[in-house]
Parts: sequence; C-alpha cells; structure tokens
Amino acid sequence: SYELTQPPSVSVSPGQTATITCSGDKLGDKFASWYRQKPGQSPVLVIYKDNKRPSGIAERFSGFNSGSTATLTISGTQATDEADYYCQAWDTITVAFGGGTKLTVL
Amino acid sequence: QVQLVESGGGLVKPGGSLRLSCEASGFPFRDYYMSWIRQAPGKGLEWVAYISSDGSVTKYAESVKGRFTMSRDNAKNTLFLQMNSLGAEDAAVYYCAREVTGGSHSVDYWGQGTLVTVSS
Repeated sequence: SYELTQPPSVSVSPGQTATITCSGDKLGDKFASWYRQKPGQSPVLVIYKDNKRPSGIAERFSGFNSGSTATLTISGTQATDEADYYCQAWDTITVAFGGGTKLTVL
Repeated sequence: QVQLVESGGGLVKPGGSLRLSCEASGFPFRDYYMSWIRQAPGKGLEWVAYISSDGSVTKYAESVKGRFTMSRDNAKNTLFLQMNSLGAEDAAVYYCAREVTGGSHSVDYWGQGTLVTVSS
C-alpha cells in the first residue's frame, strides 16, 4: 500500500504563513490534493492536482509538489482556517490519505 | 447545486451486512467517477473504493477487498456500497463523494455521511 506522512500538528499565529507537509515515495510524480475538515463537518477540497484551487477557495491557499514532498501553504492565516488538513494521492493501485494535520491558529 | 445524500447506515452485528446508498443530484451523474471514503470516530480519512462513470471499473482498498462491492445505477443517479462480513474495524462515517475529472481521484463534493456502527 502507498503511505503518506503528515505532521500531527502545526501551529501558526494569525496573519502568518502556515505550511503543512505531506511525504510519500516519489510523491512528486503523482498528483497531490488537500482537504480541510472542521469538527462535525464533511471535508472540503482546497487544492487538487498539486496546485489548483477549486472555485470558492481563497487565493491564500496554495500547493506545491516535488520530489517526495507536497506542501500546502496558507498565507495570512485566519482563525477560520483552524481545522484538520489531509493530503491525498493516487498511485495507480490505491488512493491514499495522509494521517491528517491539526492546524491551530493562536 | 451538487447534492449527495447518503442513507442506509445503522447498527449491525459483527459478521453482518449493510447496503449504503447515495442519491446524487445537480450534476450529470453518469459523467463522473464516484468514491466512497470513510472516517472512524476520532480518526482520519480512509479511501474505501471508487467506480468509473459507466460502472465498468471498480477499485477497492485492501482492507475491504472481497467484502465490499461498489456499484451504481446511472438511470437513477444512485451509488451503492454493499458491505458484507462487517467487523469492528469497519465502524465509521461513510462518505459518498464525486471525483474531479482528469484522473487524479481527487474529490470535489462530499455528502454529509452516514454512520455505520458494528456491535453485538
């Protein structure tokens, strides 16, 4: 099976830039996606195909994927960005999710 | 607007079966790959299966292969997940989800989820 590894938690001050990483074998050769999930809610897609933003997602959200690491960057982090974030990729055999990163804005 | 409404969850005994349904609306259902993704209480997301737009291709996670069957009825805009030989490890909220076109298996719309509880 294909494994994706994320840090369990990331903290950031309001207005600063938050960076969440996702590591996997040759991840840069695959498309990475990112989801935001707030408590009691369904996940929301924020980045797909490495760096594309769905309609309705703020420009503050950006993605990059190269080598073995994909990165989600949130610029000008707001209190409303506090949530769990999951990366996801497909390796032609299976679809994998990372374990999730809890983003705390304090 | 895109809507995905799951149903069929509930309490089932270990070894039992359950069939989940997902009614889709607001988009041309027959044109999209669809996925089931689950989330155990307090845990992360786990991909379960996906199905091609015409239903001819299905892929499953190793954890459910041979026990779960995903299918669709494009005439009724409905997705299904037949779950057999259920165990405690299958207890989770099950989400029906629409995939982004283009082969990355990203998901751009999620249902509200249906809870499956496995207990004697």
